Amino acid sequence: NAGVTQTPKFQVLKTGQSMTLQCAQDMNHNSMYWYRQDPGMGLRLIYYSASEGTTDKGEVPNGYNVSRLNKREFSLRLESAAPSQTSVYFCASSVMTGPYEQYFGPGTRLTVT
Amino acid sequence: DAKTTQPNSMESNEEEPVHLPCNHSTISGTDYIHWYRQLPSQGPEYVIHGLTSNVNNRMASLAIAEDRKSSTLILHRATLRDAAVYYCIRTISNFGNEKLTFGTGTRLTIIP
Repeated sequence: NAGVTQTPKFQVLKTGQSMTLQCAQDMNHNSMYWYRQDPGMGLRLIYYSASEGTTDKGEVPNGYNVSRLNKREFSLRLESAAPSQTSVYFCASSVMTGPYEQYFGPGTRLTVT
Repeated sequence: DAKTTQPNSMESNEEEPVHLPCNHSTISGTDYIHWYRQLPSQGPEYVIHGLTSNVNNRMASLAIAEDRKSSTLILHRATLRDAAVYYCIRTISNFGNEKLTFGTGTRLTIIP
């Protein structure tokens, strides 16, 4: 039981390049989330998916798109990376939205030069 | 406003209890209080959550004030592994899609 897995662990992009961060969970959870964490800051919600087939914006969605591919997988895409998107990205899942425990992945450290 | 207020940092001696405070003076009746912690270079880890009553689990206890404007996370016997940033989070109900809003947390240092 791997929990929440994320790929890649590290990535360096040039400004304007695109990439997709992958996230998968094996806990049969309905809800999945993408957060970013800038140095010395707390996490901020980018997008979330309450259930398969639905996605909604969080606090900082600009510059990102998401796809809930199936119940297990939730990807985050940067279409044209900018230095302001340099951050650590965490994926999380929970049985459903609401006051339920969220399980976090190990994170992807992204640097945009 | 989903704001909670925590001290930036705290220190505690190993094997002693730790009380981590959190203020959430604008909390509404349906908002839960969650605590997560983040060890260095890892994703956040759930610790505990509650609504009105005090809560206990294998990791910690959560004491919620009677007026719900503040709460305290209690680690009963701190170990070096408990050194982390602790986040007190209030979930704001939004048509059933409650979301976590992280602040900057309290950095807990454990002194051997």
